[in-house]
Amino acid sequence: DAGVIQSPRHEVTEMGQEVTLRCKPISGHDYLFWYRQTMMRGLELLIYFNNNVPIDDSGMPEDRFSAKMPNASFSTLKIQPSEPRDSAVYFCASRGTANTGELFFGEGSRLTVL
Amino acid sequence: EDQVTQSPEALRLQEGESSSLNCSYTVSGLRGLFWYRQDPGKGPEFLFTLYSAGEEKEKERLKATLTKKESFLHITAPKPEDSATYLCAVQAWGGFKTIFGAGTRLFVKA
Repeated sequence: DAGVIQSPRHEVTEMGQEVTLRCKPISGHDYLFWYRQTMMRGLELLIYFNNNVPIDDSGMPEDRFSAKMPNASFSTLKIQPSEPRDSAVYFCASRGTANTGELFFGEGSRLTVL
Repeated sequence: EDQVTQSPEALRLQEGESSSLNCSYTVSGLRGLFWYRQDPGKGPEFLFTLYSAGEEKEKERLKATLTKKESFLHITAPKPEDSATYLCAVQAWGGFKTIFGAGTRLFVKA
């Protein structure tokens, strides 16, 4: 299996622009998580899905952030409009119901908002 | 609110110098406690899951232990390739929300 695949790996944009991050989970996994990592706040859970349905979005910082999972093999995290404080590494992770609870992370998308 | 605190923030060891990393947690009903390793520029990689107090898991030079309030990651005779950030995380009953600590950055010098 190729693991969790994220794109783009790096994104540099200007304040006010729309940013879309993409994730392909491991085939057969029915949970998908979006995390944000910064030096100041560490790894923060933004939102997670079960069978394509958002279960907990309490970590989404504000209305500028939105996430969708249109099917079992694809999810997006969108920021519109972006701000410099959104600069971080965004990770996608997936897990299956039957496993021991561990998350499988992608390589991350490093976002820089100028 | 569920919380995870790791100490120390950073740890510098000489090759072969054994030590322990600490993870203190507060959770409303522990479903599982997890240890991950993260290398620079990479996503966290799963190491262990612990479910109940008294449980221990081992993998090569690493051993994880769990009590009702904290977990330790013991590193025996570390090598430079063990240098990484080690993250502790907890999951409570009632959902699959996994909360991470800030991590301990480990540096092992040859």
